[in-house]
Amino acid sequence: GQQVMQIPQYQHVQEGEDFTTYCNSSTTLSNIQWYKQRPGGHPVFLIQLVKSGEVKKQKRLTFQFGEAKKNSSLHITATQTTDVGTYFCAGRPQGAQKLVFGQGTRLTINP
Amino acid sequence: GAGVSQSPSNKVTEKGKDVELRCDPISGHTALYWYRQSLGQGLEFLIYFQGNSAPDKSGLPSDRFSAERTGGSVSTLTIQRTQQEDSAVYLCASSLGTGYPGEQYFGPGTRLTVT
Repeated sequence: GQQVMQIPQYQHVQEGEDFTTYCNSSTTLSNIQWYKQRPGGHPVFLIQLVKSGEVKKQKRLTFQFGEAKKNSSLHITATQTTDVGTYFCAGRPQGAQKLVFGQGTRLTINP
Repeated sequence: GAGVSQSPSNKVTEKGKDVELRCDPISGHTALYWYRQSLGQGLEFLIYFQGNSAPDKSGLPSDRFSAERTGGSVSTLTIQRTQQEDSAVYLCASSLGTGYPGEQYFGPGTRLTVT
């Protein structure tokens, strides 16, 4: 079946260090979305990428969509304690209707 | 109006009882999803409704689980003869549809505990 794999499952960093999570799909994606879930909260939409090779930035967050539209990454520069949470990617396989979520990367930060 | 709402926020039930979980999507959103999230785990897709199309039930874990969406709006997820492994947070999300923007808006979830 269609799968979206996300690594690492967990990441612990010191405040100020960078963080990256990677998302890989077994099939080509029409688009990919990223969500953040704070501890005890629900997932909140961050961004959507549609074009091959697309790069988008939101302050310290950089999102990339691979050229083959099968992988994506989220990079956070100089993490802050407010970045704590689980980051999910969610891809829409070409021809499919629904999103397929990755398992998420849980980020914890040592202040 | 407001975002996606779900009720109840918490539900404790005895093993073997049936439960109904409700989701009110954002007005005008044609797509509605149900997910299950066990403690510290990812999102497990359960079912997807898109407009008047037949729902995608491919994620329902057993025939004890069912869902309906009345009038293209409110949805109810029913779990019959609950088991302890059904304990989880059940999240509902809605979106405008399958195309852009397509982002999903999640409700606060229903925490189900089966004793």
